[in-house]
Amino acid sequence: GAVVSQHPSWVICKSGTSVKIECRSLDFQATTMFWYRQFPKQSLMLMATSNEGSKATYEQGVEKDKFLINHASLTLSTLTVTSAHPEDSSFYICSAKGRLGDTQYFGPGTRLTVL
Amino acid sequence: GNSVTQMEGPVTLSEEAFLTINCTYTATGYPSLFWYVQYPGEGLQLLLKATKADDKGSNKGFEATYRKETTSFHLEKGSVQVSDSAVYFCALNANAGGTSYGKLTFGQGTILTVHP
Repeated sequence: GAVVSQHPSWVICKSGTSVKIECRSLDFQATTMFWYRQFPKQSLMLMATSNEGSKATYEQGVEKDKFLINHASLTLSTLTVTSAHPEDSSFYICSAKGRLGDTQYFGPGTRLTVL
Repeated sequence: GNSVTQMEGPVTLSEEAFLTINCTYTATGYPSLFWYVQYPGEGLQLLLKATKADDKGSNKGFEATYRKETTSFHLEKGSVQVSDSAVYFCALNANAGGTSYGKLTFGQGTILTVHP
């Protein structure tokens, strides 16, 4: 149980285009989803927290107009990187937490490369 | 604020050696503590957790005990295998009266390489 999937697993796009990454909880209802960014050989940096049906809460220094987050249902959250640039290239990881307990379950990550 | 400090890596061991990865934390309130493992090219997997003082989390031969007096949650394994090679992250959830929505604070990660 407690499986979280991400799609796509990797994506390459041209500078200036937008990219959408999906995060799904497959076997539980995720009341809260988190989006992280991980740079090579570094720890995870929390970007934002989203609760189903409400606006995401962004961490300091994260541009909300650049990284659009939608948590439209209890099993799906999306992260859209708008007008992507090479500096947005990174490994993006989502996690999900159910209504009870405090354990986050992580997706396998999405490798974004912006040319 | 909350913070997690892990021992610096990388850690290189021979198969069947004993493993310790140190983790200490600072937090307000009574945090839950976690160890996550990340295999190359993959996301994080929960390895074990402990939610209150003196709890011991264990999984796949790994153990960690929540020590409130020393604010530590060191990860140990008696006999490592090549397949344990990965990056290990210590993390805490401060549980600040429920308002944190479960935000995790991560340590910097420790790379473990086990040789045959």
